[in-house]
Amino acid sequence: SYELTQPLSVSVALGQTARIPCGGNNIESKNVHWYQQKPGQAPVLVIYRDTNRPSGIPERFSGSNSGNTAILTISRAQAGDEADYYCHVWDSSTAVFGGGTKLTVL
Amino acid sequence: EVQLLESGGGLVQPGGSLRLSCAASGFTFSTYAMNWVRQTPGKGLEWVSAISGGGIYTDYADSVKGRFTISRDNSKNTLYLQMNSLRAEDTAVYYCAKDLDAAGPDWGFDPWGQGTLVTVSS
Repeated sequence: SYELTQPLSVSVALGQTARIPCGGNNIESKNVHWYQQKPGQAPVLVIYRDTNRPSGIPERFSGSNSGNTAILTISRAQAGDEADYYCHVWDSSTAVFGGGTKLTVL
Repeated sequence: EVQLLESGGGLVQPGGSLRLSCAASGFTFSTYAMNWVRQTPGKGLEWVSAISGGGIYTDYADSVKGRFTISRDNSKNTLYLQMNSLRAEDTAVYYCAKDLDAAGPDWGFDPWGQGTLVTVSS
């Protein structure tokens, strides 16, 4: 079965750029979606199909996908960006999620 | 505004059954595939099942195949998850989630409901 690998945690200084990787075998051949989940809340889609932002998501959120790694980039990080972030792909009619990365804004 | 509201969670004994519901509003329910995703307390997300807009096509995670059944009633704008032979490891918050786009799968899930907690314990 397909697996997605994310670091448990990423830290970023306030106002700086955070990059959250999601690793998978030849992941560039798949569409990668990203979700933000704050404590006690449901996940929210922040990037779909590698690079696209749903309406209402700030331009500070962007995505890329190449080789074996997809990356969620959060520019000018704010305290409100502290959350868990999950990547997601479809593989053989099965949705697969990464284990999640906790983003800490210092 | 698109809204999804889950219900039906609760405490059930191992081997028991439970049916979850997800009431949808704010969009043409029958044109969108729907999904169930669960999250063990303090842990990550696990996709459970998906169903096409018309209800014809369904998919399941291996961990629930043969025990869970997804269905929908488009006349009531409601998604269901029938859970049988429940195990302790099925304990989780269960979310329903809409496909972002009606064009087909693989557009991401948006939005998600608020979730309903299922606890399997004796």
